[in-house]
Amino acid sequence: EPEVTQTPSHQVTQMGQEVILRCVPISNHLYFYWYRQILGQKVEFLVSFYNNEISEKSEIFDDQFSVERPDGSNFTLKIRSTKLEDSAMYFCASSGQGITEAFFGQGTRLTVV
Amino acid sequence: SQKIEQNSEALNIQEGKTATLTCNYTNYSPAYLQWYRQDPGRGPVFLLLIRENEKEKRKERLKVTFDTTLKQSLFHITASQPADSATYLCALDVGRGQAGTALIFGKGTTLSVSS
Repeated sequence: EPEVTQTPSHQVTQMGQEVILRCVPISNHLYFYWYRQILGQKVEFLVSFYNNEISEKSEIFDDQFSVERPDGSNFTLKIRSTKLEDSAMYFCASSGQGITEAFFGQGTRLTVV
Repeated sequence: SQKIEQNSEALNIQEGKTATLTCNYTNYSPAYLQWYRQDPGRGPVFLLLIRENEKEKRKERLKVTFDTTLKQSLFHITASQPADSATYLCALDVGRGQAGTALIFGKGTTLSVSS
């Protein structure tokens, strides 16, 4: 069964450093997303990406965040200068055309120290 | 802003009983609503989607209802099993289907089914 894969599963970084979280969405999907979940809290929408541009973003997705689809298979989230409060599980997801379910990856646990 | 509330943080039931989880929302008129399951340390897994013009949807032991007047969805698991123990998330689309599936989630209800 096709799945969304994320790497790494866990990343530890120093405050102020840049991190890139990587995702391989399901191959025939058109929409790609990043969500985050701070420990013990709800899953929060960050950004959606379609046709090589951002289609929707939340208030959380400020200038320190960026997304890219560098090639036909990868989808990345970059955090430019990490803060302690960026520590969370980051989920990548993808979906097909129309009103349909999102398929989530297993997440990258980001720990900022 | 849109708000989603899942009334119970935790629900404990006996195996074989029906679990009923509630999702209420405000300040929004969603085109559809989704339910996901999340196990500890894992990503959400899709269960059911119901559209605003549908009253009820079923899939095996799962049933979801959607009342746009009450702004409420109910999620039922019949003949519950210990393997159903997980956190169940209600989610609304914020893009009305125009930005794919950009979802806002409730905090979830953690279901524990004891044998």
